[in-house]
Amino acid sequence: QKEVEQDPGPLSVPEGAIVSLNCTYSNSAFQYFMWYRQYSRKGPELLMYTYSSGNKEDGRFTAQVDKSSKYISLFIRDSQPSDSATYLCAMSERAAGNKLTFGGGTRVLVKP
Amino acid sequence: KAGVTQTPRYLIKTRGQQVTLSCSPISGHRSVSWYQQTPGQGLQFLFEYFSETQRNKGNFPGRFSGRQFSNSRSEMNVSTLELGDSALYLCASSGGQALQYFGPGTRLTVL
Repeated sequence: QKEVEQDPGPLSVPEGAIVSLNCTYSNSAFQYFMWYRQYSRKGPELLMYTYSSGNKEDGRFTAQVDKSSKYISLFIRDSQPSDSATYLCAMSERAAGNKLTFGGGTRVLVKP
Repeated sequence: KAGVTQTPRYLIKTRGQQVTLSCSPISGHRSVSWYQQTPGQGLQFLFEYFSETQRNKGNFPGRFSGRQFSNSRSEMNVSTLELGDSALYLCASSGGQALQYFGPGTRLTVL
C-alpha cells in the first residue's frame, strides 16, 4: 500500500462548481502538506502549502489538513475551464529535509 | 525572481548510453531535489542536494547520481540507460521548510 493515496479520477464538473479533492496518508510523521497543479507536459505548480493541521485559504482555493484522520483536502470554488489539470498532493516529514512524497494525482475536467 | 530552469527540455537516447541533466534553482535557494515522473509510478523522489552535499536519497539504483556546484546549480546523471528510465525528470528548488518549486522538467526517451 502506498504512503499517500489519491483517487486518480477523472473528476468532471461543470464550470462554476466546487471541486473537492482529497488524499489520505499513513505516515503520522508528515508535517508539511502541499497541493500542486500540473498541466499536461509541464512541471508541477505549487498551489497551497500548510504546516501541521488546520485550514488555509488563498483566493478560490482552500486547503484543509486533519492529522487525526490522516486526511487532507483541497477545495476550488467557482471552477473555471482553466482549472482543468492534474492535482497532486505532497507531504514531507519535518526530519526529512525537502523529500516530498506524492499522491498519484487526480485529473480534473471543468466543462464550460 | 526567475524560476527554476532545466536543460535540455527533451532528450532521446538509446539503451546503454548515459545522460546528464542540468538544473538551475531559484536565486538564493540552496536546496535542489530531483524527481522522476512516470505514468505508472507517479512522482518519485531521487535525491536532494544542499550546499553541495547529498542530504537525502530515494530508492533508486546507483546508476542515478547527482551533484551540486558552489552556485547551487545541480546536475543529475543516469548511466547505462534502460528503457524503463524513460520519464519526465523534474528538478525542485527550495529555500527551506519543505516548500519546493518545480522546473518544467526534462523529458527523456530511451529507445
